[in-house]
This record gives sequence, C-alpha cells and structure tokens, in this order.
Amino acid sequence: ETGVTQTPRHLVMGMTNKKSLKCEQHLGHNAMYWYKQSAKKPLELMFVYNFKEQTENNSVPSRFSPECPNSSHLFLHLHTLQPEDSALYLCASSQDLTRELSYNEQFFGPGTRLTVL
Amino acid sequence: AQTVTQSQPEMSVQEAETVTLSCTYDTSESDYYLFWYKQPPSRQMILVIRQEAYKQQNATENRFSVNFQKAAKSFSLKISDSQLGDAAMYFCAYWGGSEKLVFGKGTKLTVNP
Repeated sequence: ETGVTQTPRHLVMGMTNKKSLKCEQHLGHNAMYWYKQSAKKPLELMFVYNFKEQTENNSVPSRFSPECPNSSHLFLHLHTLQPEDSALYLCASSQDLTRELSYNEQFFGPGTRLTVL
Repeated sequence: AQTVTQSQPEMSVQEAETVTLSCTYDTSESDYYLFWYKQPPSRQMILVIRQEAYKQQNATENRFSVNFQKAAKSFSLKISDSQLGDAAMYFCAYWGGSEKLVFGKGTKLTVNP
C-alpha cells in the first residue's frame, strides 16, 4: 500500500450503531487530519493530530471521537450519528505542523462514503 | 476569518480547448499560500498547483497555470489543451500559517470529447 488509505470505502449505519473509520498513511508523516465533505459545501476540517497529539478540534460534536494511536494510524469512532452526518469523510496527512510559514503538503486518502439512515 | 469563494459550481470545456476556473479569497494576511486541488470521480484529492503569495511570478505545472492577482485577491486556474482525464472537482484552497486549509466549495469540470 502506498500513500493514504482509508477503510471502509463505503459505510451505511443506523443512528444507534457504533462504527469506526480507519485511516493509515504510508508516507512517514507525523500530522494527520479528518475532514468532512458534504455536497455543495466546502471541506470542513474536523480534527488535527501532530505526533499523536490532538492539536485541533474544530467544534465537532462528541458523537465523533478521534483516536490516533501512532503517527501512521488515525481512527474516527462514530456513535449515535444523525442523518445530516452523511458525507464523505476524508483523511489526510502531512510531514508535520509548523508554526512558521512553510507549507507541508497534505496528501489525501480516497475517503469513506458514510450514509446514516 | 479567511474565506475562499468559487463562483462557478460547474464548468465545461471541449477536449483540447482551454478553460479558466475562478477563485477569490479574503484575508488580512500578507504571507500565505494558495492551492488548486483536483478530486477525480475516484475521490482521491491531489494537489495540482500552488502559489506562494510573496512570489509575483505565476506558478505553472505543465498544462496548468494560475493567474494570481494579489491586490484583487484573485487566483484563477487555467487548464490548457484540456484532456478527458482533467474531468474532476477542482477546489481552491488557502493556507495562512495555521493548521487549517480553507477550501472553496469547488467547481465541477466536465470535459467533452
């Protein structure tokens, strides 16, 4: 596997289910991101991890719970979701975060298409 | 807060022709980066081209070039000699030194044979 992979690619769940999305990066990066992509809306940054530490929680509801056990893996645990949470969830990684103006390119995974019934 | 606006939800172009996608942004920063990302139907988003705000020269990558107008806060993407494989969603994005990439809503490009 190369780049950023995400599993599953498609997920259908009921509002009472608990499921998890998985992201794995094979690029040796230290920063990982979760984005939500809804139709006709800009990509929304949800969470950012740098060296396994969460550095950003963009006011995401607690029914979304991220986990970053190491720099290569990122999970998004889902429980009691709502139909409006149906979207494409994208994972990305970059070399690391820097406070200086030196952009580290983010590499994206293919996404998980989530449908909440 | 920074915002990115793509005013063209959809565009189409004939194969081998040239098309320009528009993007405007709002920021009070003087140093920042701007990007165009491509998301084909398979959904893996890839970086097409980037521009550093302090550079006056417009970035080019093969058939892709940008027209960066800093004073006007405009950043358009020109695709020359369009190919069928160019069909995708194109997202303009801004990065000003925080962790956040700020994206526009995207432009869906159709390439007609």
